[in-house]
Amino acid sequence: DVKVTQSSRYLVKRTGEKVFLECVQDMDHENMFWYRQDPGLGLRLIYFSYDVKMKEKGDIPEGYSVSREKKERFSLILESASTNQTSMYLCASRLGLRANEQYFGPGTRLTVT
Amino acid sequence: AQKITQTQPGMFVQEKEAVTLDCTYDTSDPSYGLFWYKQPSSGEMIFLIYQGSYDQQNATEGRYSLNFQKARKSANLVISASQLGDSAMYFCAMRTHISGYSTLTFGKGTMLLVSP
Repeated sequence: DVKVTQSSRYLVKRTGEKVFLECVQDMDHENMFWYRQDPGLGLRLIYFSYDVKMKEKGDIPEGYSVSREKKERFSLILESASTNQTSMYLCASRLGLRANEQYFGPGTRLTVT
Repeated sequence: AQKITQTQPGMFVQEKEAVTLDCTYDTSDPSYGLFWYKQPSSGEMIFLIYQGSYDQQNATEGRYSLNFQKARKSANLVISASQLGDSAMYFCAMRTHISGYSTLTFGKGTMLLVSP
């Protein structure tokens, strides 16, 4: 079974803090994704990575950056957290560009106070 | 622009009955794919079913089937014989492209509640 893990289920940070959300997959997948999920808005793509050290902006990249130094790990960085970044963050991975299914992690519920 | 629309914020169904969750899409790509995911209260996203735009037959996976009507641009999920464990949020998604790379665009979701 594909396993995607995220470093925390719940996280509380203060405004202005630098926040790291970590995602690890154990199936040698090439592609990885970060989404945020808000009530009434569904899932929105923040960034994705199609290979190590490669990244592409999604639909809502403002206020976020990412890092992919190793194939199995994809980090989402909030340089200076703000209250409007309070949300559920979901990481996903996919075998490669020709594959269909994305496998999701359990999510991190981030609260910025 | 590529867009997924789920018009039902919430649906109620009794156990053992069938339910249809609506999904319409808009795309200019000649080749696309449609997905349904389930998200229980625990939060994990569970892949249910996939339909390719060129697939001749509607996709089925156990109690799940996808009613794909290409001309109407709809890809409704049909759950037969609902169970209490089907209570969850359901998301329709479409394969889209950003900078030439395939990604997913999600709808806003439909909350399904199954009552005994």
